[in-house]
Amino acid sequence: DTEVTQTPKHLVMGMTNKKSLKCEQHMGHRAMYWYKQKAKKPPELMFVYSYEKLSINESVPSRFSPECPNSSLLNLHLHALQPEDSALYLCASSPGTALNTGELFFGEGSRLTVL
Amino acid sequence: AQTVTQSQPEMSVQEAETVTLSCTYDTSENNYYLFWYKQPPSRQMILVIRQEAYKQQNATENRFSVNFQKAAKSFSLKISDSQLGDTAMYFCALNPGTASKLTFGTGTRLQVTL
Repeated sequence: DTEVTQTPKHLVMGMTNKKSLKCEQHMGHRAMYWYKQKAKKPPELMFVYSYEKLSINESVPSRFSPECPNSSLLNLHLHALQPEDSALYLCASSPGTALNTGELFFGEGSRLTVL
Repeated sequence: AQTVTQSQPEMSVQEAETVTLSCTYDTSENNYYLFWYKQPPSRQMILVIRQEAYKQQNATENRFSVNFQKAAKSFSLKISDSQLGDTAMYFCALNPGTASKLTFGTGTRLQVTL
């Protein structure tokens, strides 16, 4: 299994809602990532988990809360978002070991619209 | 810190022709990895080709090859025999190897026409 699976594919939420994005991989990778991508722009790194511990937080607002319940799962909890948070949210994984080639494996993304 | 620059926002090529996408980068690391990712309208980022900085030989993957000039910090992608399915946004990316932070360029939108 060489896939990174993200759910839901599309999400529409109001500014007062609480929702979550989910990401799953079964490649035995020990590093997982959240990226945010606005239209016609490159992905921007948000968070990195390495061996289930948060290792990088790129100064992301607290209305985004990541969680790594186990080595295969990565969640992004959303609360009190703003319309400008509307974007494609990409999850990725990598081996996170000495065998790391630097390559990231990406999911298809969750398209988020905040009304 | 590292930077990746793609100076061609859009390019067009006819089917079966060859096209080259440019990328320059800057990093203070000695060991790093360079990538070209493709993002079609279906939006999933797909790895096209990878180059390890310590390897002098240019990487090739079927119709895709790179011209890696380490001293010039240049990493261009050549697509031969272009196909309609190559239509996508192409991102050049750098991983410094010492941290799990992939830095992307701004992308080149490639359109393959009949």
